[in-house]
Amino acid sequence: GENVEQHPSTLSVQEGDSAVIKCTYSDSASNYFPWYKQELGKGPQLIIDIRSNVGEKKDQRIAVTLNKTAKHFSLHITETQPEDSAVYFCDGSSNTGKLIFGQGTTLQVKP
Amino acid sequence: ETGVTQTPRHLVMGMTNKKSLKCEQHLGHNAMYWYKQSAKKPLELMFVYSLEERVENNSVPSRFSPECPNSSHLFLHLHTLQPEDSALYLCASSQDLGGTDTQYFGPGTRLTVL
Repeated sequence: GENVEQHPSTLSVQEGDSAVIKCTYSDSASNYFPWYKQELGKGPQLIIDIRSNVGEKKDQRIAVTLNKTAKHFSLHITETQPEDSAVYFCDGSSNTGKLIFGQGTTLQVKP
Repeated sequence: ETGVTQTPRHLVMGMTNKKSLKCEQHLGHNAMYWYKQSAKKPLELMFVYSLEERVENNSVPSRFSPECPNSSHLFLHLHTLQPEDSALYLCASSQDLGGTDTQYFGPGTRLTVL
């Protein structure tokens, strides 16, 4: 069946460094790839998304890249700050309605 | 915050109790979801409703019973739960059903079953 693999499960970086989280998916029908950030005590919130007709999208310090051939997409955070510390989830759901989230990555940014 | 509210935020219940979780969305969305989030299995999809009709039930035990009286409200009725049911229960909504719309999550209900 369809699945989404997210790596790494934990990531620790120094403030100012970059962080990269990667997800691979199996459903070739997937065409929408959002990333969610979950802060402590809150529900996940969308931070950036990309659709299959583009390869990269950027919003200030965060960017998402998509490789449809290899079936993977990545979240890039540059110039990390302590407030970036959170759990990040990718979503590789397909347009057939199957909802599939990655396992989550706990990012810690050390000041 | 996101237009999706959940009550209560925290709930402690015994295994013989009956309680209900409530979710309300103010976004005019057509689809609503219940997720269970625990340390071992983050973001497990439990139930999906589209236009008040249940469209997905991911092998959830019958001690969890969802109800969607209208497109803005979603309930999760709980009875005779087990300690392993302790988790964060998240409600979400999206404009339409499927995997091509952003999901908007509520803050969750932290459930502890004694």
